[in-house]
Amino acid sequence: QKEVEQNSGPLSVPEGAIASLNCTYSDRGSQSFFWYRQYSGKSPELIMFIYSNGDKEDGRFTAQLNKASQYVSLLIRDSQPSDSATYLCAVNMDAGGTSYGKLTFGQGTILTVHP
Amino acid sequence: DAGVIQSPRHEVTEMGQEVTLRCKPISGHDYLFWYRQTMMRGLELLIYFNNNVPIDDSGMPEDRFSAKMPNASFSTLKIQPSEPRDSAVYFCASSLGQLFPYEQYFGPGTRLTVT
Repeated sequence: QKEVEQNSGPLSVPEGAIASLNCTYSDRGSQSFFWYRQYSGKSPELIMFIYSNGDKEDGRFTAQLNKASQYVSLLIRDSQPSDSATYLCAVNMDAGGTSYGKLTFGQGTILTVHP
Repeated sequence: DAGVIQSPRHEVTEMGQEVTLRCKPISGHDYLFWYRQTMMRGLELLIYFNNNVPIDDSGMPEDRFSAKMPNASFSTLKIQPSEPRDSAVYFCASSLGQLFPYEQYFGPGTRLTVT
């Protein structure tokens, strides 16, 4: 079982719709969770992080965390063609408290928003 | 803030040659990470440093790969000898590892092609 798994995609949504990206992780001790966006040919760019159960909203983006289910998601409201990118889920897994800073990444989900 | 700086941005070399990739982290960051990204394997952590000391090199694929961090503002990743299967995008990232939630900031990457 992979440590961080994302829905395989690719995901295609029409402009203006809600895009839902999902991620599960294996380590119950994980502390913080990140969503990175990566445009083709570019480096990953941090768009949101979350560490408490529940929802966290930032503009059109909402991150949701459920530690009991080991599940984190990203919702993009009013999707725009400029949101088309690969979205990477990353998790800080606590290996006995010695892995400060180390992130484990999922394989990414390709999102396409079509006009 | 200049962000993470990597050089070169593109490198084309022949099989068997030595390749050196360079990284300058964000000033003040105490963690530095080297990643490799391919379509098949996604984003893989190769090695990371804390305060210039290598902490975990378990992701380094084999002895042909080595990394150093002689000071807080410079790191190198060396491949000797290079092979076609090393062709990938190599990213350097840095973070304030002791500052929760430990988000990482990526450089622009070096696209390596080994022929």
